[in-house]
Amino acid sequence: DVKVTQSSRYLVKRTGEKVFLECVQDMDHENMFWYRQDPGLGLRLIYFSYDVKMKEKGDIPEGYSVSREKKERFSLILESASTNQTSMYLCASRKGVRDYGYTFGSGTRLTVV
Amino acid sequence: QKEVEQNSGPLSVPEGAIASLNCTYSDRGSQSFFWYRQYSGKSPELIMSIYSNGDKEDGRFTAQLNKASQYVSLLIRDSQPSDSATYLCAVTFPSGAGSYQLTFGKGTKLSVIP
Repeated sequence: DVKVTQSSRYLVKRTGEKVFLECVQDMDHENMFWYRQDPGLGLRLIYFSYDVKMKEKGDIPEGYSVSREKKERFSLILESASTNQTSMYLCASRKGVRDYGYTFGSGTRLTVV
Repeated sequence: QKEVEQNSGPLSVPEGAIASLNCTYSDRGSQSFFWYRQYSGKSPELIMSIYSNGDKEDGRFTAQLNKASQYVSLLIRDSQPSDSATYLCAVTFPSGAGSYQLTFGKGTKLSVIP
């Protein structure tokens, strides 16, 4: 069964900490995405990557960065965590063609205190 | 501006009834359309995809697409309490250099009443 794995299901971090969220997919997908999901705001795209070493800003990239050194792994970095980054973070991947949907990981619920 | 609009609900239907979920989108050039189901506290799960005008059936689910009206819908027949979830509509928009991204609606919350 195809899988997108996020390293942590729940995470609590302190304000100002540097936070790493890891995502690994085993489907040989070219495209990977990071979203955050907040009540009433829906899914908002933070960053995405169409291939190894490539990254593009999504709709809300401020305060975040990403790394994609290997095809299967896409990391989201919160440079200095703030309380307004408390959210559910969802990683997704897709084959690099138009007519495929995304496969989501199980999500990481991050709380910044 | 890429927009996907859904009624947020909640939509309440009795068990055994047909649930009808609707979605409109802003770009006539969109080619691929998806429905995701998301249970509370869980991640979205792909349940249907549709690419051509008309109906596509999969078990109790039917997706309907009308590109001229920029409208896509999901029908759930014989609704069950286990269908209670938020349903997200997603539409593919071109994002430059031949690439495509999904834009998601905010979802419709469905409650099936036993």
